[in-house]
Amino acid sequence: AQSVAQPEDQVNVAEGNPLTVKCTYSVSGNPYLFWYVQYPNRGLQFLLKYITGDNLVKGSYGFEAEFNKSQTSFHLKKPSALVSDSALYFCAVRDSGSARQLTFGSGTQLTVLP
Amino acid sequence: EAQVTQNPRYLITVTGKKLTVTCSQNMNHEYMSWYRQDPGLGLRQIYYSMNVEVTDKGDVPEGYKVSRKEKRNFPLILESPSPNQTSLYFCASSMTVSNQPQHFGDGTRLSIL
Repeated sequence: AQSVAQPEDQVNVAEGNPLTVKCTYSVSGNPYLFWYVQYPNRGLQFLLKYITGDNLVKGSYGFEAEFNKSQTSFHLKKPSALVSDSALYFCAVRDSGSARQLTFGSGTQLTVLP
Repeated sequence: EAQVTQNPRYLITVTGKKLTVTCSQNMNHEYMSWYRQDPGLGLRQIYYSMNVEVTDKGDVPEGYKVSRKEKRNFPLILESPSPNQTSLYFCASSMTVSNQPQHFGDGTRLSIL
């Protein structure tokens, strides 16, 4: 079975400070990991993915994520938050050795305070 | 512009009245899927399609039907909608199912009274 957990429903951070949105996963084989962002009244937009290779993945809008196999985590990070980063963020996982589809976390609402 | 288009964006209807939500993509993607988004539950997959005439159940298929007669279209059908199907629905597509990011439509908010 595959699953993903986002332990924080809400994250607040001041503009200019670094931000972290947490994600942990569980798969039997090797994971394919994704981060998506959702703005109000819009669909999800792809931010970045980890398939294989370098554990630090860089994505759109200055976001990056670090794959940590021993901790089964894939936390989303940004060095300096912007008010415009305020949105709902979803982590998703797929087991590369499984026929199962993508499983999404429950989402984390990020609010960047001016 | 590459996009996934869903219609309608909003719909209020009554229990038992059949409805169809259309989804169309212009990227020649093989893989398409439908999700529903409910507060605190994230996105749950309803049905997916690996290619034309190939569809399969996701995690929450009860009460829904789909078809894939053409590569670009993947309609979601609620033959007898019930209030527990009130939700925000998203269609998505990708080139393949494996490790490619999905492109999402802007969503359809359904309210079943």
